[in-house]
Amino acid sequence: QVQLQESGPRLVKPSGTLSLTCAVSGGSISSRNWWSWVRQPPGKDLEWIGEIYPTGTTNYNPSLKSRVTISVDKSKNHFSLNVSSVTAADTAVYYCARAFSRRCTPASCSNYFDPWGQGALVTVSS
Amino acid sequence: DIQMTQSPSSLSASVGDRITITCRASQSISTYLSWYQQSPGKAPKLLISAASTLQSGVPSRFSGGGSGTDFTLTINGLQPEDFATYYCLQGYSSPLTFGGGTKVEI
Repeated sequence: QVQLQESGPRLVKPSGTLSLTCAVSGGSISSRNWWSWVRQPPGKDLEWIGEIYPTGTTNYNPSLKSRVTISVDKSKNHFSLNVSSVTAADTAVYYCARAFSRRCTPASCSNYFDPWGQGALVTVSS
Repeated sequence: DIQMTQSPSSLSASVGDRITITCRASQSISTYLSWYQQSPGKAPKLLISAASTLQSGVPSRFSGGGSGTDFTLTINGLQPEDFATYYCLQGYSSPLTFGGGTKVEI
């Protein structure tokens, strides 16, 4: 049974870079799945950040694309998220998730998510 | 972006009740719609994919339906563990977008 676990600094200074890693256990990150990041600001809606395939192919939410990088390390069976130039608006619980794909478009392949990591609250504050 | 409008935003119910939550897409998304349950402090849990496919291990009191722009999640016989927030997600086109959530309270 695949399980996901987020790790990384929980406090980031404004204008800095938020970095999180999602460790995959119980399965291989090289399986034929996409892997995604989703975030949820306190009291607000869920927001899809982006996705990556084991080959390194990525797709991002256009609203965040200029500041987001998702990468994969198959040797460590994990994938990572970097968000640059953060502000208080980036304060959120960040989730990683395995994505299933029934259909791809040029801009995304994830169709639904299962399972999710437990989430990591990252606060942007000086 | 495809907007997902979920209703109601909250509802009060009792154990044993039948409830229905709706999700409306701003354009047709075929059946690329999934439903999630989120309890406080927990990660979302997948209940239903492809609009109506119940995930393994999810109780049969949960059911989903719809296609195109209008979708429903029904819970027949609410149990205490069902009091949570429910979200829909469209996986038809980028960016993937979630509904605003429905909080089911006692």
